[in-house]
Amino acid sequence: DAGVTQSPTHLIKTRGQQVTLRCSPKSGHDTVSWYQQALGQGPQFIFQYYEEEERQRGNFPDRFSGHQFPNYSSELNVNALLLGDSALYLCASSLGDRGRRNEQFFGPGTRLTVL
Amino acid sequence: KQEVTQIPAALSVPEGENLVLNCSFTDSAIYNLQWFRQDPGKGLTSLLLIQSSQREQTSGRLNASLDKSSGRSTLYIAASQPGDSATYLCAVSSADRGSTLGRLYFGRGTQLTVWP
Repeated sequence: DAGVTQSPTHLIKTRGQQVTLRCSPKSGHDTVSWYQQALGQGPQFIFQYYEEEERQRGNFPDRFSGHQFPNYSSELNVNALLLGDSALYLCASSLGDRGRRNEQFFGPGTRLTVL
Repeated sequence: KQEVTQIPAALSVPEGENLVLNCSFTDSAIYNLQWFRQDPGKGLTSLLLIQSSQREQTSGRLNASLDKSSGRSTLYIAASQPGDSATYLCAVSSADRGSTLGRLYFGRGTQLTVWP
């Protein structure tokens, strides 16, 4: 049973560029959440997708957008990259409202470096 | 807004010691609490999940307790080993089954080093 997978593993971009990160949830999971983790900090919630819609959003600007596909996989897009966007981006999947335990399973992350 | 604090920020101990990592949260209306392990530059591995109605959970050498009313959780690691070296993160999710279900609020973590 494959866990949560993310691609790419590492990414280097320059300021002003755009980036797309991808996530496939754990088998059977229908909810995907994205988190940003700066060096030395705890992960910060970006947004969550369920049934192909954004259900809730953290305190991130509109430059951060996402999408969920019918197979429950998800993309995170960041436009007009800033140096401060350099971080580890984590994807988590869960059973959403069907999961009593609401246990979140995380992928290995994508390390984004903005130069 | 939920805020999660972890103490200590870093801990360095010799192999074999029993350890206590602390987590506190400001809003006691939580749905559950998870403890994660994170190796440098890697993703998060779920260690234990405690539902709000539970008092503790155990897995091997790990034991986590939850006192929801006081906003505290403790992760106890017995007989620590060098392989336990990692950052340990505590996260809580809201009790609101509406828009906030599934969102996790994290602490900054406790960086643990166990030396031989």
